[in-house]
Amino acid sequence: QVQLQESGPGLVKPSQSLSLTCTVSGGSISSGGYYWSWIRQRPGKGLEWIGYIYYSGSTYYNPSLMSRLTISVDTPKNQFSLKVSSVTAADTAVYYCARGGAHCDGDCYLGYPFDYWGQGTLVSVSS
Amino acid sequence: QSALAQPASVSGSPGQSITISCTGTSSDVGGYDYVSWYQQHPDKAPRLIIFDVSNRPSGVSNRFSGSKSGNTASLTISGLQAEDEADYFCCSYTGSSDVMVFGGGTKLTVL
Repeated sequence: QVQLQESGPGLVKPSQSLSLTCTVSGGSISSGGYYWSWIRQRPGKGLEWIGYIYYSGSTYYNPSLMSRLTISVDTPKNQFSLKVSSVTAADTAVYYCARGGAHCDGDCYLGYPFDYWGQGTLVSVSS
Repeated sequence: QSALAQPASVSGSPGQSITISCTGTSSDVGGYDYVSWYQQHPDKAPRLIIFDVSNRPSGVSNRFSGSKSGNTASLTISGLQAEDEADYFCCSYTGSSDVMVFGGGTKLTVL
């Protein structure tokens, strides 16, 4: 059973960077096939896909956020990370890591569902 | 404003059936069979309940079903139970920008 766990600071000051890490257990990121995503949910709002990464380091970002995003992978640690720069109060949200968004098995299947999720971590942006 | 339109709320009595709609465009819902649905209980992570429009993951009750017509996807829950009270989100791949887009969510109340 694949499990994901987010970690990182719960409070970030405006204009600084938000950094989160997702640790995957029960499966290896480097075994390939799956993309690994970040998704956020602002308070009382819906879900917003942020971006995803493949074990090779290939990334794809939501165009609405991409100028401030960096997603990276550390295969030896079986982790992937998110960095959002120049944060504002609008970045206050519960951040989830999840498996999915795309899947490659020879050909790549964009639109693969998010089948495993972390429990989520609340990040507040405030001075 | 979310990319996919869902009703803010629906309600039903135990044992009844309800349907939640998810309306997009020909660039997302209407153009691809990559619609998924997620159930989210308060303060919990979302849970995948339908993928590829109408497929259920292992372990998901067959009371949950999905369908699509044109640019609108639908989630139907039959035989409503108290435990079904939750928020439901649809999600679709969009070819116009190669991203995944979600609906705004629908709160289901079991009366």
